[in-house]
Amino acid sequence: QITLKESGPALVKPTQTLTLTCTLSGVSLSTSGVGVGWLRQPPGKALEWLGTIYWNDDKRYSPSLKNRLTITKDTSKNQVVLTMINLDLVDTATYYCAHSKFWFGEPQFDPWGRGTLVIVSS
Amino acid sequence: QSVLTQPPSASETPGQRVTISCSGSSSNLGYNYVYWYQQVPGTAPRLLMYKNDQRPSGVPDRFSGSKSGTSASLAISGLRSEDEANYYCAAWDDSLGGWVFGGGTKLTVL
Repeated sequence: QITLKESGPALVKPTQTLTLTCTLSGVSLSTSGVGVGWLRQPPGKALEWLGTIYWNDDKRYSPSLKNRLTITKDTSKNQVVLTMINLDLVDTATYYCAHSKFWFGEPQFDPWGRGTLVIVSS
Repeated sequence: QSVLTQPPSASETPGQRVTISCSGSSSNLGYNYVYWYQQVPGTAPRLLMYKNDQRPSGVPDRFSGSKSGTSASLAISGLRSEDEANYYCAAWDDSLGGWVFGGGTKLTVL
């Protein structure tokens, strides 16, 4: 059974940097085809994909956020880290990590972590 | 403004069938698979359908998916109160080089 858990600060000030960690269990980040995606959802709004990192360190980022995002992985800890710079009020959202697969046609973003609410406020 | 277009709401009575649509373009639904997610308020999304019409294990066969051209749909038959949730479609977009989502459809079981 694959599970994911997000961790990180609940409150961040504008212009600061956000660092979130996703801990994966039930599958290894070094297994061929495995990926972890980051997504977010502002309160009352739709889901938005931020980026995905794969077992081979291939990374894909949302074009609109590419300049602010960095996703890395620590295979020894089976963790994925999302770093977002220059936070703004509009970045207030629940941030999710989700298990993904490299190949289209496979289940994507399944399962998801429970999410962590990040509030950007001074 | 979401890249994929969904009706903001849908409603139907228990036991009936409801269909939720998702409209895109050639760069996403036109050439790529559609995925559907169910999100009960206050919980994380759950994969409901992948590769257009494939159900992950544990998803009841009351749920079915289809895609034609640049449009897709999710059908739920034999509606139950626990189906009340928000439903999102998603697809890879070749032009944007990323995953795009619909704005979500809030399903109310009357």
